[in-house]
Amino acid sequence: QQPVQSPQAVILREGEDAVINCSSSKALYSVHWYRQKHGEAPVFLMILLKGGEQKGHEKISASFNEKKQQSSLYLTASQLSYSGTYFCGTDPGPGNQFYFGTGTSLTVIP
Amino acid sequence: DAGVIQSPRHEVTEMGQEVTLRCKPISGHDYLFWYRQTMMRGLELLIYFNNNVPIDDSGMPEDRFSAKMPNASFSTLKIQPSEPRDSAVYFCASSLLAGGQRNTGELFFGEGSRLTVL
Repeated sequence: QQPVQSPQAVILREGEDAVINCSSSKALYSVHWYRQKHGEAPVFLMILLKGGEQKGHEKISASFNEKKQQSSLYLTASQLSYSGTYFCGTDPGPGNQFYFGTGTSLTVIP
Repeated sequence: DAGVIQSPRHEVTEMGQEVTLRCKPISGHDYLFWYRQTMMRGLELLIYFNNNVPIDDSGMPEDRFSAKMPNASFSTLKIQPSEPRDSAVYFCASSLLAGGQRNTGELFFGEGSRLTVL
C-alpha cells in the first residue's frame, strides 16, 4: 500500500533536470509532494487532485495520471537548494489511509 | 503565525521508561497526525485525529503506544514501556479540512521529536 518511488537516489549537477516517479497499487484521489532537508521536517510542495493535472512550483512541476495511478515530479535547471529527500503522498479517497512513498534522495552538486 | 509545535525536540531515555511526546497543532486545523520516521521504514502514520477524535490508529505498533487529544490545541503520544526499537523521529502534523471534503489539504509538520531509547 505504500507507494513506490523511483529512483531511490539521484545526484545532479547544478542546472541539470530530474524526474521522480511515484507509483501506487491503489486508485488515487490525490497526490501530494513534499521535500525534506536533512534534519528538518517535510515541507509541502504541491497537491494534485485531477487526472492528468500538472502543477508548478518555481522550477518544480508535477503531473498526475489517474488511470496509471502514477505521479511524476519534474525538477528543471536544478539548484543546490533542491537537495533533500522527496516524498510523494497518496490519498486513495474516503475511508482509506494516506501513505507516504519510499522517498527519493536528491543531491545537487556544484 | 506559529506552526506546529512539538516537545521535546530530543529525548534520550533508558529501556523500560515511559516517554511522552507533545504536540500543539496550528490553531483552526481539524486534523492531527502522528508519524514516525526511521531509515528502515520511512514515514509511517501512527494515528490521526479529526476534531479531537481518533479516526485511524491502525498504524500504532502495539499496546505500548497510546495517543490522546484532550482538546483542539494539544495532543500526546505516549510509549510505555519504551524499547530500543522505538528510537526514531516522531513528527506531529496538522491540516485543515477544505471545502467540506475529505482532507485534501497540505500537512504542516512540526520539527519532530528525536527519541533515543538505550
